[in-house]
Amino acid sequence: KNEVEQSPQNLTAQEGEFITINCSYSVGISALHWLQQHPGGGIVSLFMLSSGKKKHGRLIATINIQEKHSSLHITASHPRDSAVYICAGRDDKIIFGKGTRLHILP
Amino acid sequence: EPEVTQTPSHQVTQMGQEVILRCVPISNHLYFYWYRQILGQKVEFLVSFYNNEISEKSEIFDDQFSVERPDGSNFTLKIRSTKLEDSAMYFCASDWDLLGEKLFFGSGTQLSVL
Repeated sequence: KNEVEQSPQNLTAQEGEFITINCSYSVGISALHWLQQHPGGGIVSLFMLSSGKKKHGRLIATINIQEKHSSLHITASHPRDSAVYICAGRDDKIIFGKGTRLHILP
Repeated sequence: EPEVTQTPSHQVTQMGQEVILRCVPISNHLYFYWYRQILGQKVEFLVSFYNNEISEKSEIFDDQFSVERPDGSNFTLKIRSTKLEDSAMYFCASDWDLLGEKLFFGSGTQLSVL
């Protein structure tokens, strides 16, 4: 059964801290999405990874295919980064992790 | 940036009634998806649609559910006889490629079944 596991479930940090959110997935997933869900519920796609590393502004996503592990990093975190971050593995369909609720304190 | 549009933003219905949730995907996209998120739970895949047919569906997507792309622009999810447990936020998404760089989500329809 294809599964996606995220950690931590909840994360509170001070503004400016470096944030890491982890995602492990099982076999059969050919690509991985990182999504951001805002407090109002809307979902935004941040990255899609099948190998290596991607960077967009203060966000960096990495994936290790052999270890079936991906990380999302946020540098110089800011209160506006507060959201739920969701890892989703993609094969024929998309399998979502439970999300990491991030709260950045000013 | 182009957007996926969903209507209505909120829908309240009585148990047993039929509801149709509407989505307008981005115009040159080819792959379409419905997801749902029950309050406090993770997002769940319902169905994917490509080339005017369902390409994949989850166990949740039973005979009560159907999807249509009636006119080449709208993409609808119909629930024939709603149950209390169908109350959730329903998200539509679209993509131009099966493994496209970015999956575009609509802002969701909050369905409340009373």
